[in-house]
Amino acid sequence: NAGVTQTPKFQVLKTGQSMTLQCAQDMNHNSMYWYRQDPGMGLRLIYYSASEGTTDKGEVPNGYNVSRLNKREFSLRLESAAPSQTSVYFCASSRTGASYMNTEAFFGQGTRLTVV
Amino acid sequence: GIQVEQSPPDLILQEGANSTLRCNFSDSVNNLQWFHQNPWGQLINLFYIPSGTKQNGRLSATTVATERYSLLYISSSQTTDSGVYFCAVGRGATNKLIFGTGTLLAVQP
Repeated sequence: NAGVTQTPKFQVLKTGQSMTLQCAQDMNHNSMYWYRQDPGMGLRLIYYSASEGTTDKGEVPNGYNVSRLNKREFSLRLESAAPSQTSVYFCASSRTGASYMNTEAFFGQGTRLTVV
Repeated sequence: GIQVEQSPPDLILQEGANSTLRCNFSDSVNNLQWFHQNPWGQLINLFYIPSGTKQNGRLSATTVATERYSLLYISSSQTTDSGVYFCAVGRGATNKLIFGTGTLLAVQP
């Protein structure tokens, strides 16, 4: 059981380049999330998706776009990378909604992105 | 928004010692999770514990929702327990997690 899978694990970009981080989950969760973690800090929410076809901004959405391709996949795109986007990116998924008692979130292994 | 505070920020233990980590949060929540981030950066789920007490081997956790705090107990610590321990809380239908800044634990042999 793979859980949440992210690709790539590492990436170096030059300022102004674009890239897409991929995330897939096999737990049949309806909600998916993208977080970033900067040194010495906890994770902060970039975007989330409560269901296929819906997305919404989190705490730090500037410079990012997302796509909820289907129930399994949620991608994060950097259109024009900046050094301030150097971070570790985590994808997560969980069940949400009034009919679910257990909303435990599970995280992928992270993508370490450096923008030079 | 909800504030999440963890204490202590840093902790150094000798192998075999016990420790208690604390998480305070500023509003009611319907999700509280404890994670261990290992030295390779992986986030490991330890407990999903919006209320009550749970135990898993040498680790246990208690959340007192009415008083807005949670405690993580580590007994007989091992070097493999080293890393950062995060508390995260969520509320409402979206389950957006808000993380504390973590407790950095170093267990020395």
